[in-house]
Amino acid sequence: DTAVSQTPKYLVTQMGNDKSIKCEQNLGHDTMYWYKQDSKKFLKIMFSYNNKELIINETVPNRFSPKSPDKAHLNLHINSLELGDSAVYFCASSHLSGASTDTQYFGPGTRLTVL
Amino acid sequence: GNSVTQMEGPVTLSEEAFLTINCTYTATGYPSLFWYVQYPGEGLQLLLKATKADDKGSNKGFEATYRKETTSFHLEKGSVQVSDSAVYFCALSSGGYNKLIFGAGTRLAVHP
Repeated sequence: DTAVSQTPKYLVTQMGNDKSIKCEQNLGHDTMYWYKQDSKKFLKIMFSYNNKELIINETVPNRFSPKSPDKAHLNLHINSLELGDSAVYFCASSHLSGASTDTQYFGPGTRLTVL
Repeated sequence: GNSVTQMEGPVTLSEEAFLTINCTYTATGYPSLFWYVQYPGEGLQLLLKATKADDKGSNKGFEATYRKETTSFHLEKGSVQVSDSAVYFCALSSGGYNKLIFGAGTRLAVHP
């Protein structure tokens, strides 16, 4: 069973379009995250939700909107896509919120290419 | 603010060589420290972690010791294999909300 899954794995789209990436975890975790990995492999957190509540919102353009319908799902919607949004987006989950000792489990990533 | 600095790669080694990847950090409070590995085309997997000073994390022959006095968490392996070829990320988490701060990653290539 896949612990943290993401769909789609690859996403190619035109500038200006709106797209969504879905994430699901079956680990029973309370907290989920979105990270962005750029072309140089640098990873940076974007958002975190705990039990459907937004708890981390880094300096991300408001074209990016996360949505958590329940604590097992965290989706990322991106409006008006730009070339600079091309990256690999990783979803992750962890058991506890606020526990810096807790391990985060990552999904396989979604490679977004904006043409 | 909190930050992680890793040695730049790529690191190229022959099979059975000794591996060290340096990692130092800057953090307020008492961070937890992690090494994650990313194999080609895959997501990140936790390799090992340490949550307090002098703790040693270990897994699959890899080790790292949390050194508060030198603010370091260097990754070591005594004998690397071709299958260890991957990108290795050092990371810390400190304070509330378990926000991971990653280093830039170090690519390791092991040749037969």
